[in-house]
Amino acid sequence: AQKITQTQPGMFVQEKEAVTLDCTYDTSDPSYGLFWYKQPSSGEMIFLIYQGSYDQQNATEGRYSLNFQKARKSANLVISASQLGDSAMYFCAMRRDVEYGNKLVFGAGTILRVKS
Amino acid sequence: DAGVTQSPTHLIKTRGQQVTLRCSPISGHKSVSWYQQVLGQGPQFIFQYYEKEERGRGNFPDRFSARQFPNYSSELNVNALLLGDSALYLCASSLGRQETQYFGPGTRLLVL
Repeated sequence: AQKITQTQPGMFVQEKEAVTLDCTYDTSDPSYGLFWYKQPSSGEMIFLIYQGSYDQQNATEGRYSLNFQKARKSANLVISASQLGDSAMYFCAMRRDVEYGNKLVFGAGTILRVKS
Repeated sequence: DAGVTQSPTHLIKTRGQQVTLRCSPISGHKSVSWYQQVLGQGPQFIFQYYEKEERGRGNFPDRFSARQFPNYSSELNVNALLLGDSALYLCASSLGRQETQYFGPGTRLLVL
């Protein structure tokens, strides 16, 4: 079965610095998608970035980039120039493309706190 | 453009009761998925509906059911509520069957 592991329960970063949130995954499927979501204390899950398993280049979306290392089965999120508003819970998730549906499997999450 | 909307935002029920949660997807989105997020954990997949048909079901008991309407909105029903059903219930919509999912603000259910 597919599994997502986020080993950092909590992280601190100084405002304006970069931070990397770790995510490793376990699947034997050749085709899959990897996602990162941000969940502020309000509860809504906000989509940040997507990486397909066949994508040759690492995904980037503004201050977010995904460091995709397929052989190591890791998909780390890098947030550059951290802002106070980045303080939230961050979830890594995976979707199996071989399945008919759109089921996401989530990790346990990492709480990020940005210090001023 | 309006995002995914869910109602109600909060709900308190007692054990054994039944609850119905509602979700309206982003305009043009035809797929709706439901997730349960227990405090301190990541969301767990419950159902996906696409074009009004069930396309996926997670490991949840038959007390959980859902449906999708012709306008692509969806309802999640939970019967015979247990204390362990207390959670944040998230609805997500996507354009197609396997597209990026966008989540609503969730419904916080407390079962006493």
